[in-house]
Amino acid sequence: KQEVTQIPAALSVPEGENLVLNCSFTDSAIYNLQWFRQDPGKGLTSLLLIQSSQREQTSGRLNASLDKSSGRSTLYIAASQPGDSATYLCVPSAGGGNKLTFGTGTQLKVEL
Amino acid sequence: GAVVSQHPSRVICKSGTSVKIECRSLDFQATTMFWYRQFPKQSLMLMATSNEGSKATYEQGVEKDKFLINHASLTLSTLTVTSAHPEDSSFYICSVGGLYGYTFGSGTRLTVV
Repeated sequence: KQEVTQIPAALSVPEGENLVLNCSFTDSAIYNLQWFRQDPGKGLTSLLLIQSSQREQTSGRLNASLDKSSGRSTLYIAASQPGDSATYLCVPSAGGGNKLTFGTGTQLKVEL
Repeated sequence: GAVVSQHPSRVICKSGTSVKIECRSLDFQATTMFWYRQFPKQSLMLMATSNEGSKATYEQGVEKDKFLINHASLTLSTLTVTSAHPEDSSFYICSVGGLYGYTFGSGTRLTVV
């Protein structure tokens, strides 16, 4: 059974800092891994998708890396902004038809 | 990724009544859709997998007679909370996807009074 752990559980930083959010998962037999953000009272917004054959993906100020064999993924956020404040979730997937496993995420607050 | 529209975003209903939540896949033919429930400060929990043209698959502990799922077309799945009670108050989210990632709806906040 897949288990997902995200560290830290909560993070509060001043604007402009570079951040590292860590994710570990127990079952490395994944097809891909997605990073999402969830704003309070909202659904999940996909940020990055990394296929199992890839090592990293970048989108703007976001960079996600994947080490499938060790069951780890990292999300880097450069030059953080107050608008980045949200809960960040990493979601490994074993492929279509398989259930997704969610951790409790990292709750990020970026202050002015 | 797919574009998913979920409606309504917020609903308040009286105890004992039923509420229907719609999930539409706007640009992707979804043979499968997923329904989740999320309580405050908790993770998303899968309730059921909706299958187009056939019965939904419910997770252990989820009452299928209480949470009716209909997936009559490749673009629409509905979740009906029947005889709602205050303990059903929660955030319900649908999702579409598979091998190439998942897209989530914007969620429905259900409050039963």
